[in-house]
Amino acid sequence: KAGVTQTPRYLIKTRGQQVTLSCSPISGHRSVSWYQQTPGQGLQFLFEYFSETQRNKGNFPGRFSGRQFSNSRSEMNVSTLELGDSALYLCASSSSQGTIDEAFFGQGTRLTVV
Amino acid sequence: AQSVSQHNHHVILSEAASLELGCNYSYGGTVNLFWYVQYPGQHLQLLLKYFSGDPLVKGIKGFEAEFIKSKFSFNLRKPSVQWSDTAEYFCAVIPRAGGSYIPTFGRGTSLIVHP
Repeated sequence: KAGVTQTPRYLIKTRGQQVTLSCSPISGHRSVSWYQQTPGQGLQFLFEYFSETQRNKGNFPGRFSGRQFSNSRSEMNVSTLELGDSALYLCASSSSQGTIDEAFFGQGTRLTVV
Repeated sequence: AQSVSQHNHHVILSEAASLELGCNYSYGGTVNLFWYVQYPGQHLQLLLKYFSGDPLVKGIKGFEAEFIKSKFSFNLRKPSVQWSDTAEYFCAVIPRAGGSYIPTFGRGTSLIVHP
């Protein structure tokens, strides 16, 4: 079956702009989680959506937001971009809420803020 | 809030050498523990997990990890590494209580195996 698809794969934005990243989960999966990966901080949990509702949220500022659609596809938005937002953003999908051991990860969107 | 420390940020080994990657966490309650691997250019995937029971868990590709509760540690081991083990390795923790499923990951260990 098709894996988790993240688009775009690469993105360059300017400070102050906003960006929207997309994640299409594996068919039938209703949970989508987002992570930020940087060399200095490693992987950090952003939020999890299950059945269109945010179920868990990590310790990120309000500039980071997300949503999930009825087909389980999810988008993540970052407003007023800062240089420190440059990172690999990973999305993971699973059939149940909070089951990262059963989650499938996408290859990520590499965001560069200049 | 819990935290996860991976003490070795970069490890370089020759093929057939033994591997041990350290992972310590700080959290007072019961946790579920995980090791993930990210091969170059590939997606993150689960190596092994510990929920309860035998503290020595075996994962894919010959990896194992031992949970030592008194030391708050969950070190990853492999007796003989291969060139194909070159990857980034992440330890992760999820507290079992409270109904929150927020995972905390370590900063990762980059492993390079020379042929």
